[in-house]
Amino acid sequence: SQQGEEDPQALSIQEGENATMNCSYKTSINNLQWYRQNSGRGLVHLILIRSNEREKHSGRLRVTLDTSKKSSSLLITASRAADTASYFCATGGNKLVFGAGTILRVKS
Amino acid sequence: KAGVTQTPRYLIKTRGQQVTLSCSPISGHRSVSWYQQTPGQGLQFLFEYFSETQRNKGNFPGRFSGRQFSNSRSEMNVSTLELGDSALYLCASSRAGTGEQTQYFGPGTRLLVL
Repeated sequence: SQQGEEDPQALSIQEGENATMNCSYKTSINNLQWYRQNSGRGLVHLILIRSNEREKHSGRLRVTLDTSKKSSSLLITASRAADTASYFCATGGNKLVFGAGTILRVKS
Repeated sequence: KAGVTQTPRYLIKTRGQQVTLSCSPISGHRSVSWYQQTPGQGLQFLFEYFSETQRNKGNFPGRFSGRQFSNSRSEMNVSTLELGDSALYLCASSRAGTGEQTQYFGPGTRLLVL
């Protein structure tokens, strides 16, 4: 079953713009992870944020976590055409529960 | 370090047949998890194996089974295939003994049931 909602379901932006995706989850967590998937291929791990962290950065990625609202956001700055993919949040360790995902399209 | 590998990459089967998918984890990883991805249900957890034992199980019928070998390689089997089993099957490995660790995914096996 899906963990929760991801918002928006789809996002289309121009190269160089920022993209923000949001994720909500239902249960208490130890950490939350974000993954990227290109065209129905395998998932690529982007970043893991622990429940005691509020914000984490990795290159052009910035993830925030609000455990009181059971929500997280992923910000991709200065987007590139190569960022076009589906993005999923997931919780649950080795038994991951995924959100429905956000389809991001970056137009060049 | 080589990533997670899955074989075969593509499969076409007919209803009623069975299928076996294989997953080789990253060297040193002892946990292997399997997921099913479909357009309708999204990504769903099937089961997790650690040290040759099934440690977690998702909400799938008994037609879906798996095993793990002493070298941590894992197989999953689906018997009596149904049209709805058409999906991308992903395996993921992690170093984890206990606790929650990053999972690294393979490229997936795309199964089409006709």
